[in-house]
Amino acid sequence: QVQLVQSGPEVKKTGSSVKVSCKASGGSFRTYGVTWVRQAPGQGLEWMGGITPMFGTINYAQKFQGRVSITTDGSMSTVYLELSSLRLEDTAVYHCARVPYFDLLTGYFDYWGQGTLVTVSS
Amino acid sequence: QSVLTQPPSVSGAPGQRVTISCTGSSSNIGAGYDVHWYQQLPGSPPKLLIYGNNKRPSGVPDRFSGSKSGTSASLAITGLQADDESRFYCQSYDTRLAGVVFGGGTELTVL
Repeated sequence: QVQLVQSGPEVKKTGSSVKVSCKASGGSFRTYGVTWVRQAPGQGLEWMGGITPMFGTINYAQKFQGRVSITTDGSMSTVYLELSSLRLEDTAVYHCARVPYFDLLTGYFDYWGQGTLVTVSS
Repeated sequence: QSVLTQPPSVSGAPGQRVTISCTGSSSNIGAGYDVHWYQQLPGSPPKLLIYGNNKRPSGVPDRFSGSKSGTSASLAITGLQADDESRFYCQSYDTRLAGVVFGGGTELTVL
């Protein structure tokens, strides 16, 4: 059973950074890509970027360039999303999802993490 | 404003058929990129429903089907059931943005 387990909710101040983790329970992301998608309260899905841990390929959405960083650990079992210079409008649920065939940009997302609520306040 | 346009809401009676459109442009769907569809229940992460325009993952009923033509794609749901009530999103790739794009989402109401 594929499970992506994300870290717990975060409360941050504007201007600070947050780092969210996504762990492949019982396995690794060695043969997959991992993408990050966020969803503001009551809003739609917004792609942030993705990584293929095996090859080190990283793609970021233009909107977040310079503010986002996606990394993985040495075992390729955990992927991290770090977002800096937080704004009130960054308040959202952040989801990681698995990407088959390393197809970060045109592929589909077959398994999703449970989501991590990041609340940004002033 | 989403790059892919979906109707905000659709509705149908139990047993009926509904379709949800996803309209793009020459820089995404019209450029030949695949469209994928997700279903999201309140408080849950999205679930993959259709991939590669018209393929169903294992476990997704054949009441759900996808198609693509030109700069648009559609999701059809037949034999509507009460527990189909949820939000649906389309996804593709856009060359101008050089990234993944989603539709704004469509809320399905089963009357």
